[in-house]
Amino acid sequence: DVKVTQSSRYLVKRTGEKVFLECVQDMDHENMFWYRQDPGLGLRLIYFSYDVKMKEKGDIPEGYSVSREKKERFSLILESASTNQTSMYLCAATGKIYEQYFGPGTRLTVT
Amino acid sequence: QKEVEQNSGPLSVPEGAIASLNCTYSDRGSQSFFWYRQYSGKSPELIMSIYSNGDKEDGRFTAQLNKASQYVSLLIRDSQPSDSATYLCAVNMKGDKIIFGKGTRLHILP
Repeated sequence: DVKVTQSSRYLVKRTGEKVFLECVQDMDHENMFWYRQDPGLGLRLIYFSYDVKMKEKGDIPEGYSVSREKKERFSLILESASTNQTSMYLCAATGKIYEQYFGPGTRLTVT
Repeated sequence: QKEVEQNSGPLSVPEGAIASLNCTYSDRGSQSFFWYRQYSGKSPELIMSIYSNGDKEDGRFTAQLNKASQYVSLLIRDSQPSDSATYLCAVNMKGDKIIFGKGTRLHILP
């Protein structure tokens, strides 16, 4: 199985701050994903990446950017945090047959 | 719009009974199907995957796939209180993205 770790379990930031969420996977898999999960809205795809320095927009990319400088690391960046970005953020990496393995999640609160 | 639909629940099942969770999907070309379990405040955990029509069993869990009817189900036998969680159905339609349903909340009654 793929093991995925995320840099923080809980994070509190102020409105307007730049926020970095880090994700690392321990297998040599190309595909990595960032989601946010909100009650009643389910999992929504923000960005994904098929390889180093490659990125694709998901369903809700506005207000976010990503960086993938190394294969094992995929970072989500909130350029200027806003209160409507308060959410649970989940990183995932793909296994051999498209199954996705999730990290523990980061619960971000923007005040 | 490609969709994965689940009843949000909650589905209440007595301990020891069979819990049946259902999911339908819109894209007939879908190839891979997954069930995730998510406890409150935790991230989704992959519990079953199925790729061809029929049943696939793993311990107390059985996944069932019917591509002609475009549905996939998860049966949990001998339900335990620890099975109380939200179950997410996920479908790989094309490429490497997965479409997730919004989940069904399952409550096992002791």
